Amino acid sequence: DAGVTQSPTHLIKTRGQQVTLRCSPISGHKSVSWYQQVLGQGPQFIFQYYEKEERGRGNFPDRFSARQFPNYSSELNVNALLLGDSALYLCASSFLAGGPQETQYFGPGTRLLVL
Amino acid sequence: ILNVEQSPQSLHVQEGDSTNFTCSFPSSNFYALHWYRWETAKSPEALFVMTLNGDEKKKGRISATLNTKEGYSYLYIKGSQPEDSATYLCANHNTDKLIFGTGTRLQVFP
Repeated sequence: DAGVTQSPTHLIKTRGQQVTLRCSPISGHKSVSWYQQVLGQGPQFIFQYYEKEERGRGNFPDRFSARQFPNYSSELNVNALLLGDSALYLCASSFLAGGPQETQYFGPGTRLLVL
Repeated sequence: ILNVEQSPQSLHVQEGDSTNFTCSFPSSNFYALHWYRWETAKSPEALFVMTLNGDEKKKGRISATLNTKEGYSYLYIKGSQPEDSATYLCANHNTDKLIFGTGTRLQVFP
């Protein structure tokens, strides 16, 4: 079975531009979470979606938005890119709403570089 | 402890050595602790989900223990192999999200 897939793998944008990152969860999984990892730090939670509804939001500005589609895939959008948005963006899926005991399965990430 | 902290930051060991590292987390309102192994250019791989105080889990040569009262977990690798080289992340489950530590980077030399 395919794991969590993300596209694109790498992306280069300039300041002020907008970017859309995509994630396909493991088949049958209904929850998708997004994390940002900057160099030297652990992944930081951005959003969780379950059954197409936002269930949680981390401490990120409104420039960050996301949505989940009927097939449970998800997009993360970042507007008005800043240099500090350069990071690895990870997507994770889980079968249910990502409760404490539920394993979250991660994709390989999208590496975003903002120049 | 307010955040998730991991130590050491990095570790270099010889093949065959056993090693261990620590994850510290807030002991109040504990739900679960997750361990991941993350090899370069790959997806983080789930190792363990631990919920009960005194929990011990094992997967091959890797094992983990949990102390929720004092807020720490240990990850042990017995007889390290070069393929164990990776960053090991722990994450505290807090309501709807995982709060990660910065990881322990392990390099095993042949």
